[in-house]
Amino acid sequence: KAGVTQTPRYLIKTRGQQVTLSCSPISGHRSVSWYQQTPGQGLQFLFEYFSETQRNKGNFPGRFSGRQFSNSRSEMNVSTLELGDSALYLCASNEPGPAYGYTFGSGTRLTVV
Amino acid sequence: GIQVEQSPPDLILQEGANSTLRCNFSDSVNNLQWFHQNPWGQLINLFYIPSGTKQNGRLSATTVATERYSLLYISSSQTTDSGVYFCAVEGNNNDMRFGAGTRLTVKP
Repeated sequence: KAGVTQTPRYLIKTRGQQVTLSCSPISGHRSVSWYQQTPGQGLQFLFEYFSETQRNKGNFPGRFSGRQFSNSRSEMNVSTLELGDSALYLCASNEPGPAYGYTFGSGTRLTVV
Repeated sequence: GIQVEQSPPDLILQEGANSTLRCNFSDSVNNLQWFHQNPWGQLINLFYIPSGTKQNGRLSATTVATERYSLLYISSSQTTDSGVYFCAVEGNNNDMRFGAGTRLTVKP
């Protein structure tokens, strides 16, 4: 069973640009969550999608957005990049149920210069 | 939202020693997981343990949901156990909240 796939693995962008990150969940998983990890703030929840609907959103500005497609693949977009957006972006998938946990992808490391 | 506190923040051990990592959380949870983050940043799922006790080799975990804490035990530690260990909990609102992590260093 393939794991959670995130692309690209590394990305360098300039301030003011926008970026789109992709996450393909484990086959059969309908929930995809996104997290931002920085040395100063740790792992912070961005948003969670289930069956193409955003169910929950963390405390991030509107520049951070996402979507989920009918095949459960998800994308997140950050517009008007700032230096502080440099981080490791992690995606996790799960299938809600009594015995399932979250499986994470390898992450996308974004550097804003 | 649910608050998650992990202790200790840093732990240095000699190879072969045992350790206990703690996770306290502020409200009832539907899901609790322990993760190990490797040097490349990937979060490896160690245990899904909203309650009870589980063991996997040298690692075991116990969650006492009524008292809102979980413990991760590492026995006979090895240098490959080094890294950051995270506890994450999920309440009723479908988001996983992470603790700040415990950075474990195992010296040969």
